[in-house]
Amino acid sequence: DIQMTQSPSSLSASVGDRVTITCRASQGISRWLAWYQHKPEKAPKSLMYAASTLESGVPSRFSGSGSGTDFTLTISSLQPEDFATYYCQQYDSFPPTFGGGTRVEIK
Amino acid sequence: EVQLLESGGGLVQPGGSLRLSCEASGFSFSTYGMAWVRQAPGKGLESVSVISSSGDSPHYADSVQGRFTISRDNSRNTLYLQMSSLRAEDTAVYYCAKKREAVPDYFDFWGQGTLVIVSS
Repeated sequence: DIQMTQSPSSLSASVGDRVTITCRASQGISRWLAWYQHKPEKAPKSLMYAASTLESGVPSRFSGSGSGTDFTLTISSLQPEDFATYYCQQYDSFPPTFGGGTRVEIK
Repeated sequence: EVQLLESGGGLVQPGGSLRLSCEASGFSFSTYGMAWVRQAPGKGLESVSVISSSGDSPHYADSVQGRFTISRDNSRNTLYLQMSSLRAEDTAVYYCAKKREAVPDYFDFWGQGTLVIVSS
């Protein structure tokens, strides 16, 4: 199975901050990478796929980049509703595997 | 509006069985592949099983192969997960997820989950 490693595992930030989360795959996955947002007791929400293609309705402050093994999720200006846990996921090969998550907390 | 509503979770003894259901609405269910993804307490997300739109060739994570069976009834817009020989490590919130068209094993909509607790 392809292992996905996210960093950091958690971070504290203030509203308006620029936040960057990284995700590394144990082998090359081209751009077959997705990002999800998960809040407690809620359904996970898909943010983007193909490393940088935003889902409909996702604010433009979210962006993604990368290919091969190294990927980045950036929130350009953190908003109160963005405090959540973020997961990357590869879908290059079965089984689809997720990173361990990055918890974004309020500073 | 896409909605996925899981049910069937609960407390079950080790070695026991349970069947989860996911009722879908707001989209053409028979057109899309579906999946079950779980999250154990304090852990990250783990894909459990995926199934094509027609129900052919399901795939399973190694951790559940031979114990879990995914199926679907397109006439009822419902996805199922039959779980048997349950273990403590199967304790998790189980999410139903819809695959995005033309993007294999990427999940664009998720349900809110149903909790399965395996304990004596």
